[in-house]
Amino acid sequence: GESVGLHLPTLSVQEGDNSIINCAYSNSASDYFIWYKQESGKGPQFIIDIRSNMDKRQGQRVTVLLNKTVKHLSLQIAATQPGDSAVYFCAENPDQGGKLIFGQGTELSVKP
Amino acid sequence: DTGVSQNPRHKITKRGQNVTFRCDPISEHNRLYWYRQTLGQGPEFLTYFQNEAQLEKSRLLSDRFSAERPKGSFSTLEIQRTEQGDSAMYLCASSLGGSGNQPQHFGDGTRLSIL
Repeated sequence: GESVGLHLPTLSVQEGDNSIINCAYSNSASDYFIWYKQESGKGPQFIIDIRSNMDKRQGQRVTVLLNKTVKHLSLQIAATQPGDSAVYFCAENPDQGGKLIFGQGTELSVKP
Repeated sequence: DTGVSQNPRHKITKRGQNVTFRCDPISEHNRLYWYRQTLGQGPEFLTYFQNEAQLEKSRLLSDRFSAERPKGSFSTLEIQRTEQGDSAMYLCASSLGGSGNQPQHFGDGTRLSIL
């Protein structure tokens, strides 16, 4: 079936290093993708989005890369901080409707 | 706080009881979504509204589940005859409407525990 998946369930990085979180999606018709950050006990927090007519988008300390050829999405976090520790989800909109399909999530742990 | 608001934050009930959750979206958002999230998993889509109209329902939404958004503002999600498997976090999100290509902003959810 259609799915959005993450390559690594956990990622541990040193404070100040850059982090890269990867995501594979299976629906080639998806044209909109979002990264969310979820802290314990809270709802997903929007980080950055990208449409399929782009291959890169930058925000504050974050960059999302989209490779439609291999159906791969990544989130890069520069100068990772302890406050970045959370679970990160990618999500896709498969049919221009309302629903998002989420991956399982990657837990990012930042060591001081 | 002008974000998405969900109430209650926690709900504990006995199996077989009915429960209702409320979601107040960001005021200018005309789309409202419900998701369910179990431990260690990403949110799973349940249903969404554009204004008052319920436009899509997931097959996860059994006949025991019903959602309403009568005036196009707040929404309620009701679960009748709750079962153990209904224990989960119920998340609400809202977005500007028009297409699916607008970021959905989530509330902090209602955690349901079935005894």
